Amino acid sequence: QVQLQQWGAGLLKPSETLSLTCAVYGGSFRGYYWTWIRQSPGKGLEWIGEINHSGSANYNPSLKSRVTISVETSKKQFSLKLTSVTAADTAVYYCARAVVIDYFDNWGQGTLVTVSS
Amino acid sequence: QSVLTQPPSASGTSGQRVTISCSGGTSNIGNNPVNWYQQLPRTAPKLLIYDNNQRPSGVPDRFSGSKSGTSASLAISGLQSEDEADYYCAAWDERLNGVLFGGGTKLTVL
Repeated sequence: QVQLQQWGAGLLKPSETLSLTCAVYGGSFRGYYWTWIRQSPGKGLEWIGEINHSGSANYNPSLKSRVTISVETSKKQFSLKLTSVTAADTAVYYCARAVVIDYFDNWGQGTLVTVSS
Repeated sequence: QSVLTQPPSASGTSGQRVTISCSGGTSNIGNNPVNWYQQLPRTAPKLLIYDNNQRPSGVPDRFSGSKSGTSASLAISGLQSEDEADYYCAAWDERLNGVLFGGGTKLTVL
C-alpha cells in the first residue's frame, strides 16, 4: 500500500517562496515520476511538473521560470519550490505518483497554500 | 486555460447511465492515452480510468472509458448517489511536454 504524505507552509506573503515536501511510504521509489499538481479554489487541476528518482525533472512551461522540483531518493522524498508567489498561486497543492509518466495512481492529501498580504 | 474540453456539468437520476465527453487535439488525445479522475468533495482526485479504458483495482465496472480520434468519453452506468463528484479527463500533451487536464465536469445525481 503506497501512501504519499505532504507538508509545508500554508500561508505566504506575496514574493515569498512556496516550499512543500512529499514523503513516499511503501512501494518502490524508482521507476516512477513524482509529480506536483495544483488546484486553484473552485477551479480545475494544473500539472506543475515531475521528477524521477535520478533527478531528471520536467516542468510546465507556464511556471518553469519559478519552479524547482528536487528529490532525495535515500529518504523517498521529493520537494517543490515556487518562487515569487502571488495571489494567483493560491491553491491546493497535491503530490502524486505518475505511472509511465502520464497517469497518477496515488495522491497526497493536499496542502492548501494561501498567498495574502 | 484547458485545452481538453469537458462540459461543466452533467446530471442523471439513480440507476441511469450518463456519459461525460472530453475533446482535445492531435498533440494530446489524438496521440496519447486518456485517463480519468474522480474527485469527491474536499478530497484528492482518485484514478478512475487509465490507458483509455482500463480500470484500476477496486473501481466498479459501472465505470468505463473509450476514445476515438481526438475525443474520449467516460460512461457511468447504474448511477448511484455516491457517484456525485467532479470528473476530470487528462492526457499527455506533446506541445506542453506534460500532462493536460480537462476543466472538469460536476456530476449531480438527481
